[in-house]
Amino acid sequence: GQNIDQPTEMTATEGAIVQINCTYQTSGFNGLFWYQQHAGEAPTFLSYNVLDGLEEKGRFSSFLSRSKGYSYLLLKELQMKDSASYLCAVRENSGYALNFGKGTSLLVTP
Amino acid sequence: ETGVTQTPRHLVMGMTNKKSLKCEQHLGHNAMYWYKQSAKKPLELMFVYNFKEQTENNSVPSRFSPECPNSSHLFLHLHTLQPEDSALYLCASSQDGAGVREKLFFGSGTQLSVL
Repeated sequence: GQNIDQPTEMTATEGAIVQINCTYQTSGFNGLFWYQQHAGEAPTFLSYNVLDGLEEKGRFSSFLSRSKGYSYLLLKELQMKDSASYLCAVRENSGYALNFGKGTSLLVTP
Repeated sequence: ETGVTQTPRHLVMGMTNKKSLKCEQHLGHNAMYWYKQSAKKPLELMFVYNFKEQTENNSVPSRFSPECPNSSHLFLHLHTLQPEDSALYLCASSQDGAGVREKLFFGSGTQLSVL
């Protein structure tokens, strides 16, 4: 089984930078995913990390430290449309599916 | 337009009703999933199908019955549900179940209310 923790809610200002943390405990690790979910919509893929380090993709970056069981999602130049829930998910060695945290609800204010 | 389509978007049913949720993916994927999303809880994996074969059943009560007639379609048959089953039911697909980098593509879900 797994334990995946992320903050419940965060608020940030338009144009700013925000970091959303995720910690996990797992018996086997085969990658960490970040998804974005707007209210009433499907979760959409943002990033994938399996090796330690930073993956950058436009305004979004994701970092992984396997030894610490830790990841973060960094959002730069925040826009109002970035208000959404951000889901951290881990794939174990043994399974196909992803195991998700509860998600972090981000509110971007003017 | 999403590559994974779920119908209906909203469903209200009584505890004695029988209903079915439908999922269709247009991505040519071979693995399909049912997840349950409740308020204040993580997405919970329910079932996994890979090449039409069920590969995971995450201790789901028998009042939920999945069906995967082919790699493009997935159903969730519901009967004698309880109010605590009210949730958003999400379908997802991936190329197949084996690739570690594979990401899941989700549908928009069916919001289910059990009265």
